[in-house]
Amino acid sequence: GNSVTQMEGPVTLSEEAFLTINCTYTATGYPSLFWYVQYPGEGLQLLLKATKADDKGSNKGFEATYRKETTSFHLEKGSVQVSDSAVYFCALKGSQGNLIFGKGTKLSVKP
Amino acid sequence: EAGVTQFPSHSVIEKGQTVTLRCDPISGHDNLYWYRRVMGKEIKFLLHFVKESKQDESGMPNNRFLAERTGGTYSTLKVQPAELEDSGVYFCASSQHDRVLNYGYTFGSGTRLTVV
Repeated sequence: GNSVTQMEGPVTLSEEAFLTINCTYTATGYPSLFWYVQYPGEGLQLLLKATKADDKGSNKGFEATYRKETTSFHLEKGSVQVSDSAVYFCALKGSQGNLIFGKGTKLSVKP
Repeated sequence: EAGVTQFPSHSVIEKGQTVTLRCDPISGHDNLYWYRRVMGKEIKFLLHFVKESKQDESGMPNNRFLAERTGGTYSTLKVQPAELEDSGVYFCASSQHDRVLNYGYTFGSGTRLTVV
């Protein structure tokens, strides 16, 4: 069945450090892929998405490229800020329209 | 437009009690989803409404959970009787019908349920 695996956290970085959060998936076909973010005390927000192979999603300095060869959708940001501290979830859209999530990765950015 | 609204934001109940969670989707969104995150684990799909009909309830854990969507507007999720393992954050999401295939949804801020 479909599944998403993302790196275990927590991840602690200093401000302006480079961020990578790994995400790989198992699915039939080529599902749409997403990164969601949950800031402290808030709900899930769509951060970025990619709907087909080789698409690059980007938003707020974050990027992720849909790699069908490696079935991956790693999240990257060149210079993190304290305000990026949150929990990040990788997800894919299942055949029934529901989302299948990874376990989430908590990011803490220190000044 | 107003977002997806969930309440209560927090609920603490004793084992064996009943709790009802409510979700108000974005107006005009036919699709409504419930998800749950048990502490430290994945966010898991519970069920999907299209208007007032249950399209997919394959994620509902057991018959202690009952979801309804009266008139295709707001939805409630009742847990009766609650057990300790029901503790977690319950998220609701909605989307317009024509976006369901390729796009994400709009999520609410969730209800944190603690069963003691």
